[in-house]
Amino acid sequence: NAGVTQTPKFRVLKTGQSMTLLCAQDMNHEYMYWYRQDPGMGLRLIHYSVGEGTTAKGEVPDGYNVSRLKKQNFLLGLESAAPSQTSVYFCASSFPGPQYFGAGTRLSVL
Amino acid sequence: DQQVKQNSPSLSVQEGRISILNCDYTNSMFDYFLWYKKYPAEGPTFLISISSIKDKNEDGRFTVFLNKSAKHLSLHIVPSQPGDSAVYFCAASAAGGTSYGKLTFGQGTILTVHP
Repeated sequence: NAGVTQTPKFRVLKTGQSMTLLCAQDMNHEYMYWYRQDPGMGLRLIHYSVGEGTTAKGEVPDGYNVSRLKKQNFLLGLESAAPSQTSVYFCASSFPGPQYFGAGTRLSVL
Repeated sequence: DQQVKQNSPSLSVQEGRISILNCDYTNSMFDYFLWYKKYPAEGPTFLISISSIKDKNEDGRFTVFLNKSAKHLSLHIVPSQPGDSAVYFCAASAAGGTSYGKLTFGQGTILTVHP
């Protein structure tokens, strides 16, 4: 049972570079989410999707874009990375019931 | 403006004793609460949840209590085991008694259970 899979697991970027984080779920969940976790701040919601082709802003959406072209995939993009985006990123999915999380992507922006 | 707060950054207990983790919230619209456990280098794992229509929910060694008037919830682990050592997050949702949409997380409490 793969559940929620995130790629890559680690990435180092230079300021101004772009990248895409991929989240894939095999549970046929309708809802998918992207969070970031910073020390002492818990998890904060970046963007989420309530179904294929839909996206919505969360608590900290600035500097990120997302797309949900297929039900099983949710992509998080950074167009021009900044040091403030150094964080651990988690993807989750749900329907119905609790959200299930991937193992995370550790991103460093230098 | 932190709507969900876990005021104890860490908790240390002896194996076999009770662990009590606390969480306070300020948003009266929250109606569904969850606890997650997280090990290093892994994603959070769902542990137990409670709807605002209940004041207690049990699952094996884990019990969650909800005090709506005090806007407070707690997670009891009895008996505590060394494998319970992890970071525990409480989370809340204002999505009609479900976890759809936005979850607001607390900062987490590091639980250490000593053999």
